[in-house]
Amino acid sequence: DTGVSQDPRHKITKRGQNVTFRCDPISEHNRLYWYRQTLGQGPEFLTYFQNEAQLEKSRLLSDRFSAERPKGSFSTLEIQRTEQGDSAMYLCASSSGTSGGHNEQFFGPGTRLTVL
Amino acid sequence: AQKVTQAQTEISVVEKEDVTLDCVYETRDTTYYLFWYKQPPSGELVFLIRRNSFDEQNEISGRYSWNFQKSTSSFNFTITASQVVDSAVYFCALSIFGTASKLTFGTGTRLQVTL
Repeated sequence: DTGVSQDPRHKITKRGQNVTFRCDPISEHNRLYWYRQTLGQGPEFLTYFQNEAQLEKSRLLSDRFSAERPKGSFSTLEIQRTEQGDSAMYLCASSSGTSGGHNEQFFGPGTRLTVL
Repeated sequence: AQKVTQAQTEISVVEKEDVTLDCVYETRDTTYYLFWYKQPPSGELVFLIRRNSFDEQNEISGRYSWNFQKSTSSFNFTITASQVVDSAVYFCALSIFGTASKLTFGTGTRLQVTL
């Protein structure tokens, strides 16, 4: 049984470049979440998918950020024109459940982004 | 808006001591869920427990126990006979029924257990 996987684990980029991260959730999970965690803080919600539909986006997700989940399987998070303030750990989580359920979310190891 | 407060930034204990991590939450909703997650040095968040707002029974799992009190909006976590492997950052989190189940996390408590 494999857990949530994320790729790459680390990414160093120069300011202004575009980056893309990938998340593969637990296979039977229909919900997928992206969070961002900065040093010394708890994770902050970015966006949420139910199957392939992106149902909610945080105000933290500026127009430079875009996320997709084609076919309701893996997801990608792209950041365009990166800024130094984008440096953080990007966490992906998945869970199962229907609209009323709040099952636990299982987290991946994260992608650490450093913008120089 | 929801808020989770973990006032203890860092706690250091000697192995075998008991330790309690505090969590206070704020919400106007009546149906919600509370969670604890552990983030060891490797970085991956590990789920520990989920509680819904209608279940105030305390729970014990091995050396771990949780005390949920709606009257004080608290969901505290106690580790009995702490071990070095318990060293990690612990996060308390809240989600509101009817939302996307998104979690609102506290800032975490770093627990250091030494020999």
